[in-house]
Amino acid sequence: GAGVSQTPSNKVTEKGKYVELRCDPISGHTALYWYRQSLGQGPEFLIYFQGTGAADDSGLPNDRFFAVRPEGSVSTLKIQRTERGDSAVYLCASSFDLSGTEAFFGQGTRLTVV
Amino acid sequence: QKEVEQNSGPLSVPEGAIASLNCTYSDRVSQSFFWYRQYSGKSPELIMSIYSNGDKEDGRFTAQLNKASQYVSLLIRDSQPSDSATYLCAVLRKGGGADGLTFGKGTHLIIQP
Repeated sequence: GAGVSQTPSNKVTEKGKYVELRCDPISGHTALYWYRQSLGQGPEFLIYFQGTGAADDSGLPNDRFFAVRPEGSVSTLKIQRTERGDSAVYLCASSFDLSGTEAFFGQGTRLTVV
Repeated sequence: QKEVEQNSGPLSVPEGAIASLNCTYSDRVSQSFFWYRQYSGKSPELIMSIYSNGDKEDGRFTAQLNKASQYVSLLIRDSQPSDSATYLCAVLRKGGGADGLTFGKGTHLIIQP
């Protein structure tokens, strides 16, 4: 596709449930970032990948959060035992590489935990 | 831990005037700098990138970088109501490094007709 695609665009889930959020980056982009954004705040770093490997996962808030990118393209952010505090917009961005090239965002997934 | 600081605003500017948005960063190793615009309820949209000291102009937008002062700014000339948005500053170390691309909290800009 022409841009970064995230699915679903909206997700409502019950507290305690498991959710998966998907990101399909721009074709050929090797770097992929996940962020979380709450109302009135800037994007909060979660994890980024260079290729298939997680280059830095220090932003993941706890062990309920996990992300994979098995083939170096599509990535899935997985959240176990969701809590109401996980409610936010989850943003994915990709860039050609990590040399400083520009990163482009998808439209985000709005997660609501009820 | 890298830090990127921005005044949250709101910054109110009359239509047609120059809007000046500022950003400071703590990591001297940062090498790439970006400005994103975010409309309410939308995802961030890249508007400018700058990599070396000095000014970079693109239409009504000018990005300014001063690595010695660890300062990057965005000027918007002939401000329009459609420029009203939150502007996010982001920095990146070459090769990614810790945290990859780090964002400030953004400055809320209001252009008054």
